[in-house]
Amino acid sequence: AQKITQTQPGMFVQEKEAVTLDCTYDTSDQSYGLFWYKQPSSGEMIFLIYQGSYDEQNATEGRYSLNFQKARKSANLVISASQLGDSAMYFCAMREEYGNKLVFGAGTILRVKS
Amino acid sequence: DTGVSQDPRHKITKRGQNVTFRCDPISEHNRLYWYRQTLGQGPEFLTYFQNEAQLEKSRLLSDRFSAERPKGSFSTLEIQRTEQGDSAMYLCASSRQTTNEKLFFGSGTQLSVL
Repeated sequence: AQKITQTQPGMFVQEKEAVTLDCTYDTSDQSYGLFWYKQPSSGEMIFLIYQGSYDEQNATEGRYSLNFQKARKSANLVISASQLGDSAMYFCAMREEYGNKLVFGAGTILRVKS
Repeated sequence: DTGVSQDPRHKITKRGQNVTFRCDPISEHNRLYWYRQTLGQGPEFLTYFQNEAQLEKSRLLSDRFSAERPKGSFSTLEIQRTEQGDSAMYLCASSRQTTNEKLFFGSGTQLSVL
């Protein structure tokens, strides 16, 4: 079974608007971590935001916030005030309780329009 | 941090040749990971080191693949008798040994097997 599912292959957003990128995950562990990474065309994976399964508050990092709904097993990334430089591939990933590695979804490509 | 560096950035080889990639992690990181990424997909886990010990290998890592981290610092990934299906981006990442520590990625080595 897919551990991480990103159902949106591609998204468009108007500059300065907010956009939500979807991520659902599958685990039977009680303790796990969820990560979002950005991969621009240059190829490097850039860490954006982290949410622990026991964190009571949704994580925020600048213009990035994570809408964590534990019962629904979803961890959607919200980007506010989109900028042209946000155009990139975005990956959701999970590390399970006794896992050492991150498992990634297939990604969502985001295009910001001016 | 000087970041994770990978060498070479690009490698073109003929089918059947051997290739070796190098990864230099962030100096204080004792965990090192190799991932493979094909076009339009998320990174797939290959193998993981803690210091010099290789603690986990994916079933994706066939007998033609070998990775080493001899002194717990840099790592090499060798592919013997390359096949066209090996064409991909090979990403290296490192992290500290703390719970749910984020991974820092290098820019990757793009392998093309002709």
